Amino acid sequence: NAGVTQTPKFRVLKTGQSMTLLCAQDMNHEYMYWYRQDPGMGLRLIHYSVGEGTTAKGEVPDGYNVSRLKKQNFLLGLESAAPSQTSVYFCASSFLDRLGGYTFGSGTRLTVV
Amino acid sequence: AQSVTQLGSHVSVSEGALVLLRCNYSSSVPPYLFWYVQYPNQGLQLLLKYTSAATLVKGINGFEAEFKKSETSFHLTKPSAHMSDAAEYFCAVSEGGSQGNLIFGKGTKLSVKP
Repeated sequence: NAGVTQTPKFRVLKTGQSMTLLCAQDMNHEYMYWYRQDPGMGLRLIHYSVGEGTTAKGEVPDGYNVSRLKKQNFLLGLESAAPSQTSVYFCASSFLDRLGGYTFGSGTRLTVV
Repeated sequence: AQSVTQLGSHVSVSEGALVLLRCNYSSSVPPYLFWYVQYPNQGLQLLLKYTSAATLVKGINGFEAEFKKSETSFHLTKPSAHMSDAAEYFCAVSEGGSQGNLIFGKGTKLSVKP
């Protein structure tokens, strides 16, 4: 049982390049989330999804797009990367009732130069 | 709007000493509160949660937290620190009941000295 798997684990992009981060979960969770973690800022919600085919904006959605074509996958896209998007990105998932807490992936460290 | 404040971005204790990590919340509805731990280069793991049952909540690795409504606090404690407790700890509050997104604090990095 893998839980939440994020790929890739590391990536270096040049300003203006695009990329997609993949998140996959095998727990049949309805909800999935993308967070970014920056020093001294904690975790900030970028986008989330309440089910297959749905997405919603979080606290810091600008510069990112997401898609949830399958229940188990949640993709985060950067269309034109900027240095301000250098961060560690975490995917998480949960059941509809969040009282069980979130299950997090191990993160993707992205550097934009 | 719900929010959490973690007092102290860095806390240092000696091995065997009491660990106290502070978290205060703001919530317009009865809160659901969580503590997560993040070890270096890893994702976050659920440590414990308060979901309106017992006010003293026990978690993994000997940690516990007490919900105090009058003080709007949910501080994390452990009687005796171990070297393996060195990590970053995050307090979180549910945005709106059991079906609200989690709002995370900025984290407290715990160092344990031998």
